[in-house]
Amino acid sequence: NAGVTQTPKFRILKIGQSMTLQCAQDMNHNYMYWYRQDPGMGLKLIYYSVGAGITDKGEVPNGYNVSRSTTEDFPLRLELAAPSQTSVYFCASSYSPSGEGGQPQHFGDGTRLSIL
Amino acid sequence: AQSVTQLGSHVSVSEGALVLLRCNYSSSVPPYLFWYVQYPNQGLQLLLKYTSAATLVKGINGFEAEFKKSETSFHLTKPSAHMSDAAEYFCAVKWYRDDKIIFGKGTRLHILP
Repeated sequence: NAGVTQTPKFRILKIGQSMTLQCAQDMNHNYMYWYRQDPGMGLKLIYYSVGAGITDKGEVPNGYNVSRSTTEDFPLRLELAAPSQTSVYFCASSYSPSGEGGQPQHFGDGTRLSIL
Repeated sequence: AQSVTQLGSHVSVSEGALVLLRCNYSSSVPPYLFWYVQYPNQGLQLLLKYTSAATLVKGINGFEAEFKKSETSFHLTKPSAHMSDAAEYFCAVKWYRDDKIIFGKGTRLHILP
């Protein structure tokens, strides 16, 4: 019962460094999402994907990039880390368009990222 | 713009007391409504969902929520709070012709002994 797996769980980066947050799901879900969670702000959608090879911007895409070469994986790339990107990042997946037919999103446990 | 509002970023109730967490959404009737719970250092888990089948929805851990169209609300309740209910709760809404869910800012529930 792996579900949605995110790695790493914690990371500290220096300003200007780059890194990739990994997300993998084993439920054969077409739809995948990346969110960031900041205290008191709820979840903000960064990017999402409706299937392999298809990605689209969410509410806060600046400073991030994604790719979706397989159904299972949806990595999130930070090219030039900035302090404003300090946050907790969550990956989620769903069988159908987010919420359609009542299908919920399944979340990973998050990656806690600090930019110093 | 469409939005979801959760009243109260922090709510404290005594163990055994009624839990009421408020959620209101904007504009027209949304087709799907959700409540998620987040325990410390974990991702979000689905508590319950409204999909127009019944206005009173029962979820896990004794929680339920009632969809009220006239009030554009989907408040979460539990008759008797337990210490294990301490967590952050998120209301989420999906509108027609939208691939995305909109989350509220969350309400942290504190249970007092």
